[in-house]
Amino acid sequence: NAGVMQNPRHLVRRRGQEARLRCSPMKGHSHVYWYRQLPEEGLKFMVYLQKENIIDESGMPKERFSAEFPKEGPSILRIQQVVRGDSAAYFCASSPGTSGSQFFGPGTRLTVL
Amino acid sequence: DQQVKQNSPSLSVQEGRISILNCDYTNSMFDYFLWYKKYPAEGPTFLISISSIKDKNEDGRFTVFLNKSAKHLSLHIVPSQPGDSAVYFCAASGDSGGSNYKLTFGKGTLLTVNP
Repeated sequence: NAGVMQNPRHLVRRRGQEARLRCSPMKGHSHVYWYRQLPEEGLKFMVYLQKENIIDESGMPKERFSAEFPKEGPSILRIQQVVRGDSAAYFCASSPGTSGSQFFGPGTRLTVL
Repeated sequence: DQQVKQNSPSLSVQEGRISILNCDYTNSMFDYFLWYKKYPAEGPTFLISISSIKDKNEDGRFTVFLNKSAKHLSLHIVPSQPGDSAVYFCAASGDSGGSNYKLTFGKGTLLTVNP
């Protein structure tokens, strides 16, 4: 049973480019969460999605960031016009329901030059 | 405002001894607490959790204690093994209108277990 998959594992972008991060939840999990970890910090909640629905995006920056979880395919976190401050590790997690434990993927390390 | 605090950035213990990792929280709405372990370049791995209706939960070498009045929890690992060396994150949830999905993490404690 494969765990949460994220790709790419490492992503380098120049300022102003777009970054697309992908997450495939564990089999049987329909709830997806994105977290961001800045250097020397804990993980910070960004957004919670179910299939085709954004449930809570209270942790997402208001501009340049968007997320989706289509009916088919992985969840996508999209960052437009990246800036150096977007450099971080982005983790996706999934769960079978809203309560209980979340299972994390290996993360995507975004570096903005 | 740091709602979940892990005040010790690092901890070093000898193999076979007990490791005690501490965590404090400020939000009284939190009612579910988790510990995650993280190796470099990997995602956090769930270790153990505890609901606020309990004060102790045990799973093998890992025990979590919750003191609600002090808003404090701790993770005990005994006996500690070199493979336990990792960053340990405390997380809490329960302040999202009754849904426990939004995890609030501490900054982590780096545990080193020396052979």
